Amino acid sequence: AQSVAQPEDQVNVAEGNPLTVKCTYSVSGNPYLFWYVQYPNRGLQFLLKYITGDNLVKGSYGFEAEFNKSQTSFHLKKPSALVSDSALYFCAVRDSSGTYKYIFGTGTRLKVLA
Amino acid sequence: EAQVTQNPRYLITVTGKKLTVTCSQNMNHEYMSWYRQDPGLGLRQIYYSMNVEVTDKGDVPEGYKVSRKEKRNFPLILESPSPNQTSLYFCASSHEGGVNRNTEAFFGQGTRLTVV
Repeated sequence: AQSVAQPEDQVNVAEGNPLTVKCTYSVSGNPYLFWYVQYPNRGLQFLLKYITGDNLVKGSYGFEAEFNKSQTSFHLKKPSALVSDSALYFCAVRDSSGTYKYIFGTGTRLKVLA
Repeated sequence: EAQVTQNPRYLITVTGKKLTVTCSQNMNHEYMSWYRQDPGLGLRQIYYSMNVEVTDKGDVPEGYKVSRKEKRNFPLILESPSPNQTSLYFCASSHEGGVNRNTEAFFGQGTRLTVV
C-alpha cells in the first residue's frame, strides 16, 4: 500500500535559520510527490512537486525540496525561515493505482520564532 | 481568478438533518474530489469524480453521497449526519487531461462541520 509519513508533529525554528520538514514515502512505481501548505482558516496551497528530473525542486515562497530515491524521502527545506512561514505543511504522493487520489501525510506544524 | 469555492464555510447541524456542502470550480477541471481533515489523520479522500457523471468512492465514503451533473460542480451530501462526521471538509480539483498524475490540486477554503 502506498503511504506517506511525516515523523514530526511540530518543528520549531528561529527566524533566519534554515528549516527542514521531513517526509518519507512508500509507493509502487514512480513517485509523484507534492508539498502543500495550510495557513489558519485557509485551504491547502500547492508549494512544489517532484515528477522527474532534477532531485532538487524549487517552489513557491523560497521553498525547495530534495528528492532522495535511495532513502525514499522528500524533505522540504528553506534556507532562511520567516515568521510568516508558520503554518501546517503536508507532504503527499499521488496514487498510482487508478484513483489518482492524493495520499497525505498527517501534517507537520512549523513554528518560526521571532 | 482561478478558484475552488465551497459553501458554507461553517455549519452546525443536528443529527439526522440532511445537508449539502457545495463545491464549484472555474478552471474547467475534469477531476474533483472531497477530503475530510481530522487531527492526527491528515486528509482522507471521501469521494472523487473523474468527469461528469463519473464518481467513485474514496477511502472513507460511508455516510456521504456526491453527484457530478455539471463539470464545475461537485456537491457533497450527508443524508443523515452523525456526530462522527464532525470534521473539516475540503473540495479539490485538478486538470487531468490524459489522466496525468503530475498535476497539482487546487483546494477550496474548507467547510467546518459540527454535528450535534
